[in-house]
Amino acid sequence: DVKVTQSSRYLVKRTGEKVFLECVQDMDHENMFWYRQDPGLGLRLIYFSYDVKMKEKGDIPEGYSVSREKKERFSLILESASTNQTSMYLCASSVQGPSAETQYFGPGTRLLVL
Amino acid sequence: GQQLNQSPQSMFIQEGEDVSMNCTSSSIFNTWLWYKQDPGEGPVLLIALYKAGELTSNGRLTAQFGITRKDSFLNISASIPSDVGIYFCAGLHTGANSKLTFGKGITLSVRP
Repeated sequence: DVKVTQSSRYLVKRTGEKVFLECVQDMDHENMFWYRQDPGLGLRLIYFSYDVKMKEKGDIPEGYSVSREKKERFSLILESASTNQTSMYLCASSVQGPSAETQYFGPGTRLLVL
Repeated sequence: GQQLNQSPQSMFIQEGEDVSMNCTSSSIFNTWLWYKQDPGEGPVLLIALYKAGELTSNGRLTAQFGITRKDSFLNISASIPSDVGIYFCAGLHTGANSKLTFGKGITLSVRP
């Protein structure tokens, strides 16, 4: 079974804090993704990565950065958290090549920025 | 970014009823997928469709890839309470490097 885990289910931070969201997958997947989910807006892609040390911007990268030092781990960083970054953050992974369209999601981290 | 259109945002049905959801786009996709998100969890893939006109079933779920490649529908038959959740459609272009485009989702409620 593919397993994607996220470091926290719930997180409360203050405005201006640096926030790290960690994601780990155990299936040796090449691709990893970070989305945010907001009511009425669906899933929006923040950043993705095809390989170690590789990253590409998604549709809403502003205010975020990412790090992929190891294949299994993809971190999302909020350099200076703001209240409009209060959201549900979902990590996903997939293989490359055939079946790459099948993304496996973690349970999500619900972040509240006060 | 590009989005897929899903509406309405919420649907309310009675247990045992069938329900149909569709997803439309202004552009062509080569793969259509349907995901379900249970409350408090991440989305899980239900059905993947790879060819225009393809009709695929998974238990009480049936999905079709539209002939024009610009739409897809998902049908749930004989709904049960555990069908509650958010249903997302997603599309993939060839050569999109596995980057999916998601719809905004439809929240389904099932009354016992």
